[in-house]
Amino acid sequence: AQTVTQSQPEMSVQEAETVTLSCTYDTSESDYYLFWYKQPPSRQMILVIRQEAYKQQNATENRFSVNFQKAAKSFSLKISDSQLGDAAMYFCAYMWEYGNKLVFGAGTILRVKS
Amino acid sequence: DAGVIQSPRHEVTEMGQEVTLRCKPISGHNSLFWYRQTMMRGLELLIYFNNNVPIDDSGMPEDRFSAKMPNASFSTLKIQPSEPRDSAVYFCASSLSGGYNEQFFGPGTRLTVL
Repeated sequence: AQTVTQSQPEMSVQEAETVTLSCTYDTSESDYYLFWYKQPPSRQMILVIRQEAYKQQNATENRFSVNFQKAAKSFSLKISDSQLGDAAMYFCAYMWEYGNKLVFGAGTILRVKS
Repeated sequence: DAGVIQSPRHEVTEMGQEVTLRCKPISGHNSLFWYRQTMMRGLELLIYFNNNVPIDDSGMPEDRFSAKMPNASFSTLKIQPSEPRDSAVYFCASSLSGGYNEQFFGPGTRLTVL
C-alpha cells in the first residue's frame, strides 16, 4: 500500500528566511504524481506545487520549489523568502497512475515569526 | 467559476441523528471525492465517483455512511445514525477524470456530534 510520511509535526521559520519541509513515501509504482497542499486556518486546501515522477527536473512555483529524489522516495518542499501568509499546515500527497486518489501525509504545521 | 460548494459549513447534531452533507462540484468536472479530516487519522479518502458512478468506497468507515451522486452537479454524504466519533471536517473535491488532474477542494463542513 502507498504511504506518505511527514516526520516534522511542526516547523518554525523567521520571516524572509528559507525553510524546508520533509516528505517520504513508499510505493511500488513507477509512475505517479506528488503534491504539496497548503491548509491555512480557513481550512481551504490549496495546491502549492506538483511533481511528475517521470520528470527529472524539480518543480518550481515562485518562492516554492521541491527536491525530488526518486530513488530515495523523498519529496521535500523549500519555501524561500518566507512570508507571514505562508503560515499554515502543509500536506504532502501522492497520486498513482490512473488511481485518481490522493494519499496524504499527516501534515506539518509551519509557523512564521516576524 | 464559483469553485466547489459545500453545505452546510458547520453542523452540530446529537448522537443518533441523521446528517446529510452536500457538495456541488465545479461545472465540467466528472470526478468527485469525499475526504474526512480528523486529528487522529489526518486526511483520508472516503469514496470517489467518476461520471456519477461510485468507483471506490473502500474508505467508507461503516454502513452508517452512504454517499450518492444523482447527477453531475450534486453529491451527498449521509451518516445515519451519527456518533460522536464521526466529528470531523468533511471535504468534497472535484477534478477532471483521467490522468493526473488537480483536485479542487471545497471549504469543508465541520461536523460536531454531541
